[in-house]
Amino acid sequence: EAQVTQNPRYLITVTGKKLTVTCSQNMNHEYMSWYRQDPGLGLRQIYYSMNVEVTDKGDVPEGYKVSRKEKRNFPLILESPSPNQTSLYFCASSLSVSGELFFGEGSRLTVL
Amino acid sequence: KQEVTQIPAALSVPEGENLVLNCSFTDSAIYNLQWFRQDPGKGLTSLLLIQSSQREQTSGRLNASLDKSSGRSTLYIAASQPGDSATYLCAVAGYQTSGSRLTFGEGTQLTVNP
Repeated sequence: EAQVTQNPRYLITVTGKKLTVTCSQNMNHEYMSWYRQDPGLGLRQIYYSMNVEVTDKGDVPEGYKVSRKEKRNFPLILESPSPNQTSLYFCASSLSVSGELFFGEGSRLTVL
Repeated sequence: KQEVTQIPAALSVPEGENLVLNCSFTDSAIYNLQWFRQDPGKGLTSLLLIQSSQREQTSGRLNASLDKSSGRSTLYIAASQPGDSATYLCAVAGYQTSGSRLTFGEGTQLTVNP
């Protein structure tokens, strides 16, 4: 089944403890991206990757890092999480930058 | 900076009604516009994708139009059903130096009453 898989789906952590949210797609998509969704602010893009050679910042990249060492995986790294990074995170992928986007189920992160 | 606005923020209609959701954007330099559906606690499901060179797309009871010059898109839902109740989001993919940045509207929360 074609899908975008995120892990973990739910996580409670403490300020400063490094964490990684994994994202994997099995559709051979070139384009992958991360978003956070917050009440009243909607969905905002954190980082995107056109392919394994090109990664760039979205609208809210501060406090996050990403890595695209292989086509199928695009992990989101929070080196030193803070409470303002408590949010619902989504990973998405598409065949190309102009293609239909497929979303993962989301990862709900709470930073205490 | 691209801004995307969706009107109305919430809509409640009786079953069977035809309805229109609106999306407007400020920068017409876009790759495409996509409509999504989001159910509570779930991810986003793509409904329709309109490339910048297209005027409309149809899928079943859904029809989406795009007027790039005026910065507007509409999603038309025919013969609405209770199962259509969800939040509908539009997103535009805009040009960036190294690729594309996606900007979402805040969504329209639709309730279809039996």
